[in-house]
Amino acid sequence: DTGVSQNPRHKITKRGQNVTFRCDPISEHNRLYWYRQTLGQGPEFLTYFQNEAQLEKSRLLSDRFSAERPKGSFSTLEIQRTEQGDSAMYLCASSLADRTQGYGYTFGSGTRLTVV
Amino acid sequence: QKEVEQNSGPLSVPEGAIASLNCTYSDRGSQSFFWYRQYSGKSPELIMSIYSNGDKEDGRFTAQLNKASQYVSLLIRDSQPSDSATYLCAVNTGNQFYFGTGTSLTVIP
Repeated sequence: DTGVSQNPRHKITKRGQNVTFRCDPISEHNRLYWYRQTLGQGPEFLTYFQNEAQLEKSRLLSDRFSAERPKGSFSTLEIQRTEQGDSAMYLCASSLADRTQGYGYTFGSGTRLTVV
Repeated sequence: QKEVEQNSGPLSVPEGAIASLNCTYSDRGSQSFFWYRQYSGKSPELIMSIYSNGDKEDGRFTAQLNKASQYVSLLIRDSQPSDSATYLCAVNTGNQFYFGTGTSLTVIP
């Protein structure tokens, strides 16, 4: 297994355009998370899936953002009508779920979005 | 109040010294605590996890947890220039992790 894979690595888009990012988690991990990180800040939680079910969404996630994990494997994050404030690194992470304590995440390399 | 607070630094230590990084968290129900290292332009990399009060050692790294004080720390012994990075404290509360803003560490050769 090569770890968590994210594509593309970089995306430059014009304001108002739609963008879609893909994440392929570690195959045996049943949880998948999306985070957003801006310069000088820690990662901010956006949403997470357990298998194909989207179990939690942050209030940060406006209705322009949507995420899917249709077969419980890879996930996509779509941003519609991008704004300059959406410029950030979008990080995907995966982990195993555990009832008693959490496992650390394994992060992908991220997708850096620049909205011009 | 933020869920996880860290001093942003920068923290500078000479090569070979001990670097001490600190983190406090607000949710007393938090069960799991993690330290991530993030090099500039790269994604976070897990370096330590700790679940119980006390110390946990892994090579040059020691994580310390005090749940009563809601405090987590990371000690890096024999600091190397390659340790220069931002260190993120993460706390597992419920089903998601909350991250601090990170402490920037520079190890001076």
